[in-house]
Amino acid sequence: ETGVTQSPTHLIKTRGQQVTLRCSSQSGHNTVSWYQQALGQGPQFIFQYYREEENGRGNFPPRFSGLQFPNYSSELNVNALELDDSALYLCASSLTGNEQFFGPGTRLTVL
Amino acid sequence: GEDVEQSLFLSVREGDSSVINCTYTDSSSTYLYWYKQEPGAGLQLLTYIFSNMDMKQDQRLTVLLNKKDKHLSLRIADTQTGDSAIYFCAEGSYGNKLVFGAGTILRVKS
Repeated sequence: ETGVTQSPTHLIKTRGQQVTLRCSSQSGHNTVSWYQQALGQGPQFIFQYYREEENGRGNFPPRFSGLQFPNYSSELNVNALELDDSALYLCASSLTGNEQFFGPGTRLTVL
Repeated sequence: GEDVEQSLFLSVREGDSSVINCTYTDSSSTYLYWYKQEPGAGLQLLTYIFSNMDMKQDQRLTVLLNKKDKHLSLRIADTQTGDSAIYFCAEGSYGNKLVFGAGTILRVKS
Protein backbone atom coordinates (compact mmCIF):
# COMPACT_ATOMS: atom_id res chain seq x y z
CA GLU A 1 0.00 0.00 0.00
CA THR A 2 1.48 3.35 -1.08
CA GLY A 3 1.40 6.14 1.48
CA VAL A 4 0.79 9.83 0.89
CA THR A 5 3.28 11.37 -1.55
CA GLN A 6 3.96 15.02 -2.30
CA SER A 7 5.87 16.85 -5.01
CA PRO A 8 8.11 18.65 -5.31
CA THR A 9 10.22 18.12 -2.19
CA HIS A 10 11.68 21.61 -2.22
CA LEU A 11 10.81 24.75 -4.13
CA ILE A 12 12.25 28.25 -4.29
CA LYS A 13 10.13 31.11 -5.63
CA THR A 14 10.26 34.91 -5.57
CA ARG A 15 7.64 37.29 -4.22
CA GLY A 16 4.66 37.76 -6.52
CA GLN A 17 5.09 34.42 -8.27
CA GLN A 18 2.58 31.57 -8.29
CA VAL A 19 3.18 28.00 -7.13
CA THR A 20 1.40 24.64 -7.45
CA LEU A 21 2.04 21.83 -4.99
CA ARG A 22 0.83 18.29 -5.59
CA CYS A 23 -0.35 15.47 -3.36
CA SER A 24 -1.26 11.86 -4.05
CA SER A 25 -3.46 10.44 -1.37
CA GLN A 26 -3.09 7.01 0.16
CA SER A 27 -4.83 4.30 -1.85
CA GLY A 28 -8.60 4.42 -1.33
CA HIS A 29 -8.60 7.65 0.68
CA ASN A 30 -11.21 10.12 -0.58
CA THR A 31 -10.40 13.11 1.65
CA VAL A 32 -7.37 15.36 1.39
CA SER A 33 -6.44 18.15 3.80
CA TRP A 34 -3.69 20.72 3.38
CA TYR A 35 -1.73 22.31 6.22
CA GLN A 36 0.93 25.03 6.42
CA GLN A 37 3.70 24.56 8.98
CA ALA A 38 5.86 27.63 9.58
CA LEU A 39 9.27 27.09 11.17
CA GLY A 40 8.98 26.23 14.85
CA GLN A 41 5.19 26.02 14.82
CA GLY A 42 2.50 23.41 14.55
CA PRO A 43 0.65 22.83 11.29
CA GLN A 44 -2.21 25.23 10.46
CA PHE A 45 -5.24 23.97 8.52
CA ILE A 46 -5.63 25.53 5.07
CA PHE A 47 -8.55 23.57 3.58
CA GLN A 48 -9.97 20.11 3.00
CA TYR A 49 -11.37 18.39 -0.09
CA TYR A 50 -13.83 15.53 -0.04
CA ARG A 51 -14.81 13.86 -3.28
CA GLU A 52 -13.62 16.85 -5.35
CA GLU A 53 -15.51 19.47 -3.31
CA GLU A 54 -14.04 21.89 -0.75
CA ASN A 55 -15.17 20.70 2.66
CA GLY A 56 -13.93 23.32 5.08
CA ARG A 57 -11.40 26.13 5.02
CA GLY A 58 -9.10 27.66 7.59
CA ASN A 59 -8.11 31.30 8.03
CA PHE A 60 -6.18 31.68 4.78
CA PRO A 61 -6.75 34.31 2.06
CA PRO A 62 -8.38 33.46 -1.30
CA ARG A 63 -5.00 33.42 -3.04
CA PHE A 64 -4.68 29.95 -1.49
CA SER A 65 -6.81 27.66 -3.64
CA GLY A 66 -7.05 23.97 -4.32
CA LEU A 67 -8.37 21.18 -6.44
CA GLN A 68 -9.12 17.53 -5.98
CA PHE A 69 -9.19 15.20 -8.95
CA PRO A 70 -11.36 12.11 -9.60
CA ASN A 71 -8.50 9.87 -8.46
CA TYR A 72 -8.51 11.88 -5.18
CA SER A 73 -5.09 13.42 -5.77
CA SER A 74 -4.96 17.12 -5.00
CA GLU A 75 -3.24 20.39 -5.79
CA LEU A 76 -2.60 23.45 -3.66
CA ASN A 77 -2.15 26.70 -5.59
CA VAL A 78 -0.80 29.89 -4.07
CA ASN A 79 -0.89 33.13 -6.05
CA ALA A 80 1.00 36.36 -5.45
CA LEU A 81 3.52 34.72 -3.11
CA GLU A 82 4.61 36.64 -0.02
CA LEU A 83 7.69 36.14 2.13
CA ASP A 84 5.48 34.80 4.96
CA ASP A 85 4.31 31.97 2.71
CA SER A 86 7.69 30.31 3.26
CA ALA A 87 6.84 27.11 5.13
CA LEU A 88 6.49 23.35 4.96
CA TYR A 89 3.23 22.45 3.22
CA LEU A 90 1.75 19.18 4.36
CA CYS A 91 -0.94 17.12 2.74
CA ALA A 92 -2.94 14.54 4.70
CA SER A 93 -5.34 11.94 3.40
CA SER A 94 -8.05 10.03 5.21
CA LEU A 95 -10.91 7.65 4.58
CA THR A 96 -12.76 7.32 7.84
CA GLY A 97 -12.21 10.92 8.87
CA ASN A 98 -10.71 10.25 12.26
CA GLU A 99 -7.27 9.19 11.02
CA GLN A 100 -5.32 11.62 8.86
CA PHE A 101 -2.08 10.35 7.36
CA PHE A 102 0.48 12.92 6.34
CA GLY A 103 2.89 13.06 3.46
CA PRO A 104 6.53 14.18 3.79
CA GLY A 105 5.70 17.77 2.83
CA THR A 106 6.94 20.34 0.34
CA ARG A 107 9.39 22.94 1.64
CA LEU A 108 8.58 26.28 -0.03
CA THR A 109 11.02 29.17 0.23
CA VAL A 110 9.92 32.61 -0.99
CA LEU A 111 12.72 35.11 -1.63
CA GLY B 1 -12.12 29.29 20.30
CA GLU B 2 -9.75 26.51 19.53
CA ASP B 3 -6.34 26.43 21.13
CA VAL B 4 -3.90 23.67 21.99
CA GLU B 5 -0.95 24.27 24.29
CA GLN B 6 2.09 22.13 24.97
CA SER B 7 5.30 22.51 26.89
CA LEU B 8 8.17 23.31 24.53
CA PHE B 9 10.92 20.96 25.60
CA LEU B 10 11.49 17.71 27.49
CA SER B 11 14.80 15.99 28.14
CA VAL B 12 15.01 12.41 29.48
CA ARG B 13 17.61 9.69 29.82
CA GLU B 14 17.45 6.57 27.67
CA GLY B 15 15.38 3.89 29.40
CA ASP B 16 13.34 6.37 31.46
CA SER B 17 9.68 7.17 30.85
CA SER B 18 8.72 10.39 29.04
CA VAL B 19 5.49 12.23 29.72
CA ILE B 20 4.39 14.93 27.30
CA ASN B 21 1.46 17.09 28.33
CA CYS B 22 -1.12 19.03 26.36
CA THR B 23 -4.16 21.16 27.14
CA TYR B 24 -6.93 22.01 24.71
CA THR B 25 -9.93 24.30 24.77
CA ASP B 26 -12.57 22.92 22.39
CA SER B 27 -14.90 20.75 24.45
CA SER B 28 -16.63 19.58 21.27
CA SER B 29 -13.51 17.81 20.04
CA THR B 30 -14.26 14.22 19.22
CA TYR B 31 -10.72 12.92 18.94
CA LEU B 32 -7.38 13.85 20.46
CA TYR B 33 -4.23 12.90 18.60
CA TRP B 34 -0.50 12.50 19.05
CA TYR B 35 1.78 12.93 16.06
CA LYS B 36 5.57 12.57 15.83
CA GLN B 37 7.76 14.62 13.50
CA GLU B 38 11.41 13.81 12.88
CA PRO B 39 13.77 16.41 11.37
CA GLY B 40 12.91 17.23 7.77
CA ALA B 41 9.98 14.81 7.70
CA GLY B 42 6.19 14.87 7.70
CA LEU B 43 3.98 13.91 10.62
CA GLN B 44 3.58 10.32 11.75
CA LEU B 45 0.31 9.42 13.48
CA LEU B 46 1.27 7.71 16.74
CA THR B 47 -2.09 7.20 18.37
CA TYR B 48 -5.40 8.86 19.06
CA ILE B 49 -8.12 8.63 21.65
CA PHE B 50 -11.84 9.10 21.38
CA SER B 51 -13.12 11.81 23.68
CA ASN B 52 -15.28 9.44 25.75
CA MET B 53 -12.26 7.34 26.73
CA ASP B 54 -9.96 7.92 29.70
CA MET B 55 -6.97 5.90 28.63
CA LYS B 56 -5.53 4.08 25.65
CA GLN B 57 -2.45 1.90 25.61
CA ASP B 58 -0.54 0.86 22.52
CA GLN B 59 2.75 -0.97 23.16
CA ARG B 60 5.11 1.60 24.76
CA LEU B 61 2.59 4.42 24.41
CA THR B 62 -0.06 5.32 26.96
CA VAL B 63 -2.50 8.17 26.40
CA LEU B 64 -4.42 9.64 29.32
CA LEU B 65 -7.36 12.00 28.84
CA ASN B 66 -8.89 14.15 31.55
CA LYS B 67 -11.89 15.60 29.77
CA LYS B 68 -12.97 17.71 32.73
CA ASP B 69 -9.65 19.57 32.79
CA LYS B 70 -9.16 19.27 28.99
CA HIS B 71 -5.76 17.71 29.61
CA LEU B 72 -4.10 15.08 27.46
CA SER B 73 -0.83 13.30 28.09
CA LEU B 74 1.39 10.89 26.20
CA ARG B 75 3.62 8.54 28.17
CA ILE B 76 6.44 6.77 26.35
CA ALA B 77 7.82 3.85 28.35
CA ASP B 78 11.49 2.82 28.06
CA THR B 79 12.34 5.88 25.95
CA GLN B 80 14.94 5.23 23.26
CA THR B 81 17.22 7.60 21.31
CA GLY B 82 15.05 6.93 18.26
CA ASP B 83 12.17 8.59 20.11
CA SER B 84 13.94 11.96 19.88
CA ALA B 85 11.63 14.11 17.78
CA ILE B 86 8.94 16.78 18.01
CA TYR B 87 5.61 15.55 19.37
CA PHE B 88 2.40 17.33 18.43
CA CYS B 89 -0.89 17.14 20.21
CA ALA B 90 -3.97 17.84 18.06
CA GLU B 91 -7.71 18.02 18.55
CA GLY B 92 -10.35 17.39 15.94
CA SER B 93 -13.86 16.31 15.19
CA TYR B 94 -14.83 13.51 12.86
CA GLY B 95 -13.75 14.29 9.31
CA ASN B 96 -12.82 17.87 10.06
CA LYS B 97 -9.69 19.92 10.48
CA LEU B 98 -7.06 19.19 13.08
CA VAL B 99 -5.91 21.94 15.43
CA PHE B 100 -2.31 21.42 16.49
CA GLY B 101 -0.22 22.62 19.36
CA ALA B 102 3.22 24.13 18.74
CA GLY B 103 4.94 20.85 19.53
CA THR B 104 7.16 19.47 22.30
CA ILE B 105 10.79 18.74 21.49
CA LEU B 106 11.79 15.46 23.13
CA ARG B 107 15.51 14.95 23.60
CA VAL B 108 16.69 11.52 24.74
CA LYS B 109 20.16 11.38 26.25
CA SER B 110 22.12 8.14 26.06
